[in-house]
Amino acid sequence: GENVEQHPSTLSVQEGDSAVIKCTYSDSASNYFPWYKQELGKGPQLIIDIRSNVGEKKDQRIAVTLNKTAKHFSLHITETQPEDSAVYFCAATPSNSNSGYALNFGKGTSLLVTP
Amino acid sequence: GAVVSQHPSRVICKSGTSVKIECRSLDFQATTMFWYRQFPKKSLMLMATSNEGSKATYEQGVEKDKFLINHASLTLSTLTVTSAHPEDSSFYICSARDIMAAADTQYFGPGTRLTVL
Repeated sequence: GENVEQHPSTLSVQEGDSAVIKCTYSDSASNYFPWYKQELGKGPQLIIDIRSNVGEKKDQRIAVTLNKTAKHFSLHITETQPEDSAVYFCAATPSNSNSGYALNFGKGTSLLVTP
Repeated sequence: GAVVSQHPSRVICKSGTSVKIECRSLDFQATTMFWYRQFPKKSLMLMATSNEGSKATYEQGVEKDKFLINHASLTLSTLTVTSAHPEDSSFYICSARDIMAAADTQYFGPGTRLTVL
C-alpha cells in the first residue's frame, strides 16, 4: 500500500519568513495530493491540493509543488503569519475506485510562527 | 460551501455504554464518507469507508461489531461506539466526498472528542 513520509515533524519560523514542508510517497499510482491544516481541537481543513497532471499550484501565500519522477511533493507558505501556526498534514491517494479514494496521511508537521 | 458537521462535538460517557456520533454534509451530497480516529499529536487513522446504502468497509484491525457504521442517506453517516471502554477514548473525525466534485476531494468535519470514564 501507499506510504507517505513527511518532514520535518516540527518547524519554527519567524513571522514573515517562508516555511517549507516536504512529503514523499511510495505508490507510483498515486495522483492526488492534498494538504490539510489542523488547528488544536478541530478537524483538518483542506488548504490546497494538486493532481499529477500539474507540477505546481499556487493560491495566494500557499503553493504546492509536485515531482512525480522523484515521488515527492512540498508545501510552501510565504510571508508566514502567527495564524498560520497549526499542524499540517500531507496526503496521497491513487484516486481510483479500487482504492476507495481513501487518503494516506503523513504524520504531520507542527508549524509555529513566532511574532 | 462543502461544510461537514459532526454531533456531538464532545461526549463523556461511562464504561460499557454506547455512543453515537453523527456526520452530516450540510450543503452537498456524499455517497462516500470516511471515519478516522486520531490520538493526541498523531496522524489520522482511517477506520472505515462508509457508502450510502451499503455496508461499510473496515480497515484491518478495526472491529466492525465494536464500531457500527450506518450511512442511510446522502447527507448522513453515523458511527456508534458500542460498549465503550477507556481505550476507545479518542478524537473521531469524519470526512465526506462531494458527489458533484472531483471524486478524490474530501472535506472533514470538526471532530468529536470521546472520553470514556
